[in-house]
Amino acid sequence: AQSVTQLDSHVSVSEGTPVLLRCNYSSSYSPSLFWYVQHPNKGLQLLLKYTSAATLVKGINGFEAEFKKSETSFHLTKPSAHMSDAAEYFCVVSASNSGYALNFGKGTSLLVTP
Amino acid sequence: DVKVTQSSRYLVKRTGEKVFLECVQDMDHENMFWYRQDPGLGLRLIYFSYDVKMKEKGDIPEGYSVSREKKERFSLILESASTNQTSMYLCASSLGGLAGGPRYFGPGTRLTVL
Repeated sequence: AQSVTQLDSHVSVSEGTPVLLRCNYSSSYSPSLFWYVQHPNKGLQLLLKYTSAATLVKGINGFEAEFKKSETSFHLTKPSAHMSDAAEYFCVVSASNSGYALNFGKGTSLLVTP
Repeated sequence: DVKVTQSSRYLVKRTGEKVFLECVQDMDHENMFWYRQDPGLGLRLIYFSYDVKMKEKGDIPEGYSVSREKKERFSLILESASTNQTSMYLCASSLGGLAGGPRYFGPGTRLTVL
């Protein structure tokens, strides 16, 4: 079985400061990991994905995430927050043998203040 | 770009009505999914389909049915809507295979059942 835990339900940063959204995963098999973003009243947009290639994954809008097997983590970072980054972020795991199962974290709400 | 569209952004129905939510994708994806999203509960899988006329129950199929007569279209049916089905409904699609690839989501339908 696989699962993800997003360690913070809310994160608040000032515009121009770094963003760190934390995600730990649990998986019996080699996982595929994803980060999605959801802006208010919008659908989910894929930010980036890890599928056993490079451990540092670059996504859209300046976000990146690092897969750390020893720590079972896949934290999302961005060097400098922008007001438009305010949204809900979801960490998602899929195990290679899970067929169609895809487990979503509960989400982290990112607030960016001026 | 993958495009997943949903027939309505907002829908208001009465208890006992039959409700159809339509989803169309234009990328020839084999897999299609219906999720509901509720505050504090994250995304939960209702049904998915891995081929035309094929369907599998997800985590919360009770009170719902689905139809996939064409590859690009996946319909969610609430046979007799109830107030506890008030929610945001998200459709998604992905390429086929067991790898559990990234889902591409539609904008969502916010359904209110009165």
